[in-house]
Amino acid sequence: AQSVTQPDIHITVSEGASLELRCNYSYGATPYLFWYVQSPGQGLQLLLKYFSGDTLVQGIKGFEAEFKRSQSSFNLRKPSVHWSDAAEYFCAVGSNAGNNRKLIWGLGTSLAVNP
Amino acid sequence: DTAVSQTPKYLVTQMGNDKSIKCEQNLGHDTMYWYKQDSKKFLKIMFSYNNKELIINETVPNRFSPKSPDKAHLNLHINSLELGDSAVYFCASSQGLGSLSPLHFGNGTRLTVT
Repeated sequence: AQSVTQPDIHITVSEGASLELRCNYSYGATPYLFWYVQSPGQGLQLLLKYFSGDTLVQGIKGFEAEFKRSQSSFNLRKPSVHWSDAAEYFCAVGSNAGNNRKLIWGLGTSLAVNP
Repeated sequence: DTAVSQTPKYLVTQMGNDKSIKCEQNLGHDTMYWYKQDSKKFLKIMFSYNNKELIINETVPNRFSPKSPDKAHLNLHINSLELGDSAVYFCASSQGLGSLSPLHFGNGTRLTVT
């Protein structure tokens, strides 16, 4: 079955610390991977995506993610977290196979940042 | 300049009432969506329209009826509201039909049914 797992429901880091949010997927076709961020009271915004090529992708707000096919993972990283990064982060997977039109979403990781 | 705008932002109503949420996008996208986000932040796609044609119709109660008068607008009408309908409803749009086109979300409509 197709699924996306974000093992960490909630993470707290100190401002300035590094961050890694985990995402694992189970998908039959070639996966196309996304990270979205949802700030409080806002809609979701695309941080970055991976379709093909270099497995390390850069996104907005200083985020990056690395696709590891052998581990079925697409973890999101940031070297130094800012207080404004406190938000909900969602990993999602899609495909260009067949008639696929829906993203599969993870349940999200809530990030809190301590001053 | 808002790309995807939805109204109202908040909606508080009583059980049994009928309400509508409106969405408009000025991005020139072909595809629009309604998502429901529950209190645990779980995102569930409800409907999707491409050029006014319904292309995704998930298993939702038929009290929910989307309508797309043109490709820039997608409305959601809900009949006979129930307590379980309380959630945040997001409109989104994308260029293209498949699941690979990045989604642009509105800021959501928080529906509270009392």
